[in-house]
Amino acid sequence: RKEVEQDPGPFNVPEGATVAFNCTYSNSASQSFFWYRQDCRKEPKLLMSVYSSGNEDGRFTAQLNRASQYISLLIRDSKLSDSATYLCVAYNYGQNFVFGPGTRLSVLP
Amino acid sequence: NAGVTQTPKFRVLKTGQSMTLLCAQDMNHEYMYWYRQDPGMGLRLIHYSVGEGTTAKGEVPDGYNVSRLKKQNFLLGLESAAPSQTSVYFCASSPTRLAGGMDEQYFGPGTRLTVT
Repeated sequence: RKEVEQDPGPFNVPEGATVAFNCTYSNSASQSFFWYRQDCRKEPKLLMSVYSSGNEDGRFTAQLNRASQYISLLIRDSKLSDSATYLCVAYNYGQNFVFGPGTRLSVLP
Repeated sequence: NAGVTQTPKFRVLKTGQSMTLLCAQDMNHEYMYWYRQDPGMGLRLIHYSVGEGTTAKGEVPDGYNVSRLKKQNFLLGLESAAPSQTSVYFCASSPTRLAGGMDEQYFGPGTRLTVT
């Protein structure tokens, strides 16, 4: 079983749609969580950190449920420019940053 | 402020050849990492460093060596390249660890390596 698992996708959604990505992690000692965005043939870039209380950044909302070891990312009013692969990441002291395999999103006109 | 840079961007090696990938960061970060990314696998940690002069193994260290002689540079070496090492290699850096967690990583643009 992978340490960090994500919806395999791809997600194909129309512009303006709301899309949600799910992620689960298996190491209960994980301390920090992140969502990264990776465009085709580019490096990953931080989209947002995920805090226990949940956090929002414009159209993006991240939630963390430590009891269920579950992280989510919600994108509202999808734009064409949101098309990318979204990587869920968990950090723990022993294993460092553990990346999920990513979920690909295509926003269609 | 260039952030994290990697050289070269592309390389083709024959089986058995050696090479060194260079990563440099100008953000004075303590932590540096080398990952490989393969289709469907996500990023996997090869080696990492928590400071100048220190290195440690990650999830997939076999066939690779690293050195961190200067704080700003982290080198990844392949002594005898194999086709299984065909991949995209990313370097990353992080600032000093906060208590109970870790700040984000900053990634370089990647090196695309093909071993024939």
